[in-house]
Amino acid sequence: SAVISQKPSRDICQRGTSLTIQCQVDSQVTMMFWYRQQPGQSLTLIATANQGSEATYESGFVIDKFPISRPNLTFSTLTVSNMSPEDSSIYLCSVEDKGTSGPTEQYFGPGTRLTVT
Amino acid sequence: GQNIDQPTEMTATEGAIVQINCTYQTSGFNGLFWYQQHAGEAPTFLSYNVLDGLEEKGRFSSFLSRSKGYSYLLLKELQMKDSASYLCAVRDSNYQLIWGAGTKLIIKP
Repeated sequence: SAVISQKPSRDICQRGTSLTIQCQVDSQVTMMFWYRQQPGQSLTLIATANQGSEATYESGFVIDKFPISRPNLTFSTLTVSNMSPEDSSIYLCSVEDKGTSGPTEQYFGPGTRLTVT
Repeated sequence: GQNIDQPTEMTATEGAIVQINCTYQTSGFNGLFWYQQHAGEAPTFLSYNVLDGLEEKGRFSSFLSRSKGYSYLLLKELQMKDSASYLCAVRDSNYQLIWGAGTKLIIKP
């Protein structure tokens, strides 16, 4: 199973600024994902980070607001640009890996708790 | 559209049994997952069903009926540490994971 770390674990930012979140995996993985989880709600997929090509964004999310890098098979970054209080959320990095029980599972990083003031 | 429904919140007593239901309407089906998420932590994998029937893993079991678009997670011998949110997720025909809003389970002594 993949072990994922994220930096920073939390941050308080001023509106109009940008924050870059880093995600590091302890093994090479093909699929890396970025999710957002607002308080009391479920996970919303922002984008799939593709190694060597542009990220694939879900409806409602655009590259200008959430630029993503994926320089290799173990690392990705998500930038939250020109932040507003509505961007306050937990941002989770996730990878797909074959679990010990057989199915392809999603593993999650510990999350980055972002508060925009 | 694609939709997954779970109860928002459930309460149960320590030592008892609780069943958390999940119904889904998705474009295709390639498996159903249950994840556990403690407050302030990332979700962790609990179970996976792709064929109809019951999968048992210790105190936790998960059931699937594809014809009914229905699954449940059964937790036995509840412990206080089982207090968490339980997320149902379905992989659709494009192999995308569609997530339910989660069920917050409160365990009382």
